[in-house]
Amino acid sequence: QQQVKQSPQSLIVQKGGISIINCAYENTAFDYFPWYQQFPGKGPALLIAIRPDVSEKKEGRFTISFNKSAKQFSLHIMDSQPGDSATYFCAAKKDSGAGSYQLTFGKGTKLSVIP
Amino acid sequence: NAGVTQTPKFRVLKTGQSMTLLCAQDMNHEYMYWYRQDPGMGLRLIHYSVGEGTTAKGEVPDGYNVSRLKKQNFLLGLESAAPSQTSVYFCASSSGHTRLAGGNEQFFGPGTRLTVL
Repeated sequence: QQQVKQSPQSLIVQKGGISIINCAYENTAFDYFPWYQQFPGKGPALLIAIRPDVSEKKEGRFTISFNKSAKQFSLHIMDSQPGDSATYFCAAKKDSGAGSYQLTFGKGTKLSVIP
Repeated sequence: NAGVTQTPKFRVLKTGQSMTLLCAQDMNHEYMYWYRQDPGMGLRLIHYSVGEGTTAKGEVPDGYNVSRLKKQNFLLGLESAAPSQTSVYFCASSSGHTRLAGGNEQFFGPGTRLTVL
């Protein structure tokens, strides 16, 4: 059972454009939604995260938009740069209770930003 | 601080051989995790530990064993390797203090690329 569905699998964006990656979740108990960035040959690293009490969080060129009623959240990368080329994973977890240790990951989106 | 380190970086095994992957963290984190990453499958949790001396099964535990004898180390063992275990293995750690700022963040190691022939 895939609890976090991520799309698209791959994305090609021109330099300066906007990259958008979408995720949908099923478990309404999730209350922490991070995005991880992974460069080839490296481990994933936290990029930005949001909790469901806000609808948007922005850090530099990266923004998470969150729609609690639709159980969806998305990552927007403004002014995309070739250095943003990486694989992006959305994830979700509960803050407390059974299973609160576990991050459930989407399957990833490979972003390529072309000059 | 080195963060999370993993050894070895690469390994090739023959079917039926055994090996142990070592993960070490120097952040005094309570929680540690082992994931496997396969193309198109994202990251799947194999086993995890919420403290020294404790371990538990994750999503895909079959064929793997783990031990956490010291707080800073988390070992992943393959007793009889199979080609289906060809993957990239990542270790991660987190503080476990989920209500504190940054408490949910998992810090990942650089990975071990394992090929089973």
